[in-house]
Amino acid sequence: KQEVTQIPAALSVPEGENLVLNCSFTDSAIYNLQWFRQDPGKGLTSLLLIQSSQREQTSGRLNASLDKSSGRSTLYIAASQPGDSATYLCAVCGGSNYKLTFGKGTLLTVNP
Amino acid sequence: EAGVAQSPRYKIIEKRQSVAFWCNPISGHATLYWYQQILGQGPKLLIQFQNNGVVDDSQLPKDRFSAERLKGVDSTLKIQPAKLEDSAVYLCASSYNRGTRDEQFFGPGTRLTVL
Repeated sequence: KQEVTQIPAALSVPEGENLVLNCSFTDSAIYNLQWFRQDPGKGLTSLLLIQSSQREQTSGRLNASLDKSSGRSTLYIAASQPGDSATYLCAVCGGSNYKLTFGKGTLLTVNP
Repeated sequence: EAGVAQSPRYKIIEKRQSVAFWCNPISGHATLYWYQQILGQGPKLLIQFQNNGVVDDSQLPKDRFSAERLKGVDSTLKIQPAKLEDSAVYLCASSYNRGTRDEQFFGPGTRLTVL
């Protein structure tokens, strides 16, 4: 059974800092890994999707890496802004039904 | 392109009552998912449809939860009777197809409170 762990559970940083969110998973037989953002009371917004054959993906100030063999991914956010404050969720896709298994998320607060 | 629509956004009911949620996926998306997200947890898949057929309902509490997707478009999720532990956000998502390259797009969710 796939298990996804995200560390830290919560993170508070001053504006302008670069930061890293971590995600680990127990079964390396995955098709892809997605990072999502969730604002309070809202649904999930997909940030980045990394295929199992890829090592990283970049979008603006976000960079996600994937090391499938070790079961780890990181989300790097450069020059953080207060608008980046949200919960960040990692999810891995695997199994015959391409099922997403989510971590519990990291609650990020960027202070002005 | 319109996103995934869900209604209602909020619902408060007493335990043992019934409730239904509605989802309209992105046009042309064949796969539809219902997730349950309990406070402080990541979403958990309840049921997955491919067109109007069920692909995975292994984590759906079938004694009280049911779902259907008529004509392979809209879907409804029903809980009858509700329990206190059903209090959660119910998220609907859709994707173009099942596959390694398909992103799932999520609706805003329905927040259910069972008193």
